Amino acid sequence: GNSVTQMEGPVTLSEEAFLTINCTYTATGYPSLFWYVQYPGEGLQLLLKATKADDKGSNKGFEATYRKETTSFHLEKGSVQVSDSAVYFCALSDQGSGGGADGLTFGKGTHLIIQP
Amino acid sequence: GAGVSQTPSNKVTEKGKYVELRCDPISGHTALYWYRQSLGQGPEFLIYFQGTGAADDSGLPNDRFFAVRPEGSVSTLKIQRTERGDSAVYLCASSLRIWVGVLIYEQYFGPGTRLTVT
Repeated sequence: GNSVTQMEGPVTLSEEAFLTINCTYTATGYPSLFWYVQYPGEGLQLLLKATKADDKGSNKGFEATYRKETTSFHLEKGSVQVSDSAVYFCALSDQGSGGGADGLTFGKGTHLIIQP
Repeated sequence: GAGVSQTPSNKVTEKGKYVELRCDPISGHTALYWYRQSLGQGPEFLIYFQGTGAADDSGLPNDRFFAVRPEGSVSTLKIQRTERGDSAVYLCASSLRIWVGVLIYEQYFGPGTRLTVT
C-alpha cells in the first residue's frame, strides 16, 4: 500500500534560517505529491504540488522537487519567517484511470517553530 | 466564494451514542472526501464520493461508520455506537475533479469537526 514518511518534529529554527523538511514515499502507482500546511487555528491548505518526476512545486518561497529515483519530495525554503510557524504535511495520491484511489495518504506532520 | 463548511465544529457524546457530522462542499465540486485526524497524526482517508455515489469507501474502519451524499452536494458522516477510540477531528474536503490531460483534483479542506467520545 501507499505510505508517506516525514521527519519528526518539532523543528525549531531562527528567523531567516534555511529550512528542509524531509519526505519520502512508497506508492504502488505513479503518484502525485503534495505539501499541505496547517497554520494555528486554521484548516489544511495546499502549499504546493508536483504531478510527475522532476517537477518542482513552489509557492510562498517554498519549493519541493519530485524525485522518483529516491522516492522523495523534500520541502525547502531559503529564509524562513516567524509567520511560517505551522504544521506541514507531506501527502500523495494515486492519479489513476478514475474511480477509487483518489484519497490522499498523509505523513504524520512536522511542527515547525520559527523563533524571532 | 464560500469554502468547505462543517458542522458542528465540536461534538461531545457519550460512549454508545449515535452521531452525525455534516459537510457542505464548495458549490460545483463534484468530489467529496472524508478524513479522520487523530492527535499527533496526519489525516487518514475514510471515504470518497463522486457525485452521489461512494466511489471508494475502503478507509472506513468498520461497519459502525457510514456516509451519504444523497443529492451530490451536502454529505453526512454517521457513526453508530460510538467508542472512545472514535475521538478525533473529522475533516471534509471537496474538489473539482476534471481531466485536462492530467487529472486535476486539488482538494480544499474544511475546518473539521472535533468529536470527543466520553
